[in-house]
Amino acid sequence: AQSVTQLGSHVSVSEGALVLLRCNYSSSVPPYLFWYVQYPNQGLQLLLKYTSAATLVKGINGFEAEFKKSETSFHLTKPSAHMSDAAEYFCAVSDLYSSASKIIFGSGTRLSIRP
Amino acid sequence: SQTIHQWPATLVQPVGSPLSLECTVEGTSNPNLYWYRQAAGRGLQLLFYSVGIGQISSEVPQNLSASRPQDRQFILSSKKLLLSDSGFYLCAWSGPRAGAETQYFGPGTRLLVL
Repeated sequence: AQSVTQLGSHVSVSEGALVLLRCNYSSSVPPYLFWYVQYPNQGLQLLLKYTSAATLVKGINGFEAEFKKSETSFHLTKPSAHMSDAAEYFCAVSDLYSSASKIIFGSGTRLSIRP
Repeated sequence: SQTIHQWPATLVQPVGSPLSLECTVEGTSNPNLYWYRQAAGRGLQLLFYSVGIGQISSEVPQNLSASRPQDRQFILSSKKLLLSDSGFYLCAWSGPRAGAETQYFGPGTRLLVL
C-alpha cells in the first residue's frame, strides 16, 4: 500500500528566505508524486509532478522538488519566499494501478510567511 | 482546454434537509471523476470515484451518495444532512488514458450544516 507523510503541519519562514517542505513516501511500485497548493477557500492547484523522468522537477511559482529514491523523499523547495506563497501544501502519491488512478494525499503543511 | 465547475460555491443547510452538489467537466471525454471532503483544518478524504456513467465506487460508508448521470457530470447527494457533513467538498477529474495519474480540482463547495 502507498502512503505519504508530510513532516510539520505548520512551517513559518521570513519573506525572502528558503522554503523547505518535507515529504516522504512509501510505495511498492515506482511512484508518481505530486505537490498541490491550496489557497484559502479554493480548490487544489497542481504545483508540480514527478513521473519517472528527471529527478529534479520544476513547477509553477518558482517551486521545485527533487525525487530521492534512496531516501524515499520528495521535498518541495523555493529559494526565496514571497508573501503570496502563504497557503496549504499537499504532497501526494498516485496509485496508478488501482482502477481509477486514486491519489493518496498527505495531511498537508500550512506555510506562513513573515514580513 | 479542460475546465471543471462546481456549484453552489457556498451552502448553508439545516440538519435533516437534503443535499445536492453538482460537478461538471468541460473539454474532455470519459474522465475519471472524484468527490473529496475536507473537514476544517484537516486533509482530504476521498468519498467516491467514478470511471464511467453509472459506475460509482464508495470509499467510506456514510450519509452521502453519488451519481453520474452523464459522462461529464458528477453529483453528490444526501437525503438527510447531519452536522458532521459540514466541510469543504471538492470535485476532481483525471484523464482516462495519458495523464491519468494527475487529478485536477474544481473550486469547491463550502457546506455548513446547522
